[in-house]
Amino acid sequence: DGGITQSPKYLFRKEGQNVTLSCEQNLNHDAMYWYRQDPGQGLRLIYYSQIVNDFQKGDIAEGYSVSREKKESFPLTVTSAQKNPTAFYLCASSIVKLTGELFFGEGSRLTVL
Amino acid sequence: KNEVEQSPQNLTAQEGEFITINCSYSVGISALHWLQQHPGGGIVSLFMLSSGKKKHGRLIATINIQEKHSSLHITASHPRDSAVYICAVPIPQGGSEKLVFGKGTKLTVNP
Repeated sequence: DGGITQSPKYLFRKEGQNVTLSCEQNLNHDAMYWYRQDPGQGLRLIYYSQIVNDFQKGDIAEGYSVSREKKESFPLTVTSAQKNPTAFYLCASSIVKLTGELFFGEGSRLTVL
Repeated sequence: KNEVEQSPQNLTAQEGEFITINCSYSVGISALHWLQQHPGGGIVSLFMLSSGKKKHGRLIATINIQEKHSSLHITASHPRDSAVYICAVPIPQGGSEKLVFGKGTKLTVNP
């Protein structure tokens, strides 16, 4: 079955460490997105990519980095520069235009100790 | 002012009740998404609509483009419908589009 796989589901990090969250899709979608979800807030866009080897900053990109070397993969690195990284992270994909169906992964919950 | 507003924020119902969740937005849009987030955190797309009404099982979504308003209805609600329901709209940004999300409506259906 086609879908999006995120890993790990839960991740604990010490302050000062970089961590990378994995996002893989087998839907042949060109566009992929990373969102952050905090309690009581709507999802906020971190980075998005509409094509391989190209990506753009979203609304809250500071302290994060991404790569898009393959169509299927869009990993997110939470760097030590992110001051408040504890959150729930969701990866999504769609056909390039956002007027098509969205597919989300199950999310990764990052906790900084 | 948020570009996407949902109401109510929280909703508790008894099994079998008819549920309505509302979404209002402030910009012209090409389509609107209704999403369901389960307690575990995963999100599932329920509907994408640009006009009129769509129905899937006990779920019905309507949109009024002129009034910039959409509703999600659940008929004969069941405890398994308990989830957070989120509406999202794509808005133009820098030659592309980005999704703006509502804060969600937490629905609890009691048996």
